[in-house]
Amino acid sequence: DAMVIQNPRYQVTQFGKPVTLSCSQTLNHNVMYWYQQKSSQAPKLLFHYYDKDFNNEADTPDNFQSRRPNTSFCFLDIRSPGLGDAAMYLCATSRLGLRDTQYFGPGTRLTVL
Amino acid sequence: GENVEQHPSTLSVQEGDSAVIKCTYSDSASNYFPWYKQELGKRPQLIIDIRSNVGEKKDQRIAVTLNKTAKHFSLHITETQPEDSAVYFCAASSTNAGKSTFGDGTTLTVKP
Repeated sequence: DAMVIQNPRYQVTQFGKPVTLSCSQTLNHNVMYWYQQKSSQAPKLLFHYYDKDFNNEADTPDNFQSRRPNTSFCFLDIRSPGLGDAAMYLCATSRLGLRDTQYFGPGTRLTVL
Repeated sequence: GENVEQHPSTLSVQEGDSAVIKCTYSDSASNYFPWYKQELGKRPQLIIDIRSNVGEKKDQRIAVTLNKTAKHFSLHITETQPEDSAVYFCAASSTNAGKSTFGDGTTLTVKP
């Protein structure tokens, strides 16, 4: 089945230790998104790629970086995780962009010790 | 930037009753308005969406209305069932601004 896959589903890291979260998709969608969702809050868009074009939200901290080496994969790098970065990280894809349905992956729950 | 306000934050209804959730947005350039349902511990899933050239859309028990002049849109669920219990998020997207903003969510509880 076509889908959005995130690995790992649960990630534990130490304060300040870099971590990379992975997302892959078999939908062949042009756009991939990364959201941060904290407990009982709405998903917050961090950035998105339209093909290879990177779009960063103005309030996304510099601590967060992203890479999209090809259509299928997108990575979220957190260079120096702080306690406030503990959250669920959701990857999503859409075929055409922000005017199109987004399909979410199951998320990676990040714990920072 | 875009600001999306969603009300109410919690909503409790009796099974079979209707539920209405309302959202307002600030950016007149927003042109796509999806609604997502998120069950506890699961991913958000699209339940219905509407684009700016349409005033109303219906899919079985779910409907969405859009008033572009007033900049608000609403989700209507009729004949609610316990499995409708979840958190519902509205969102507003603007391709011009390249932004997608979610409302804060509504926790819907349907009592059997």
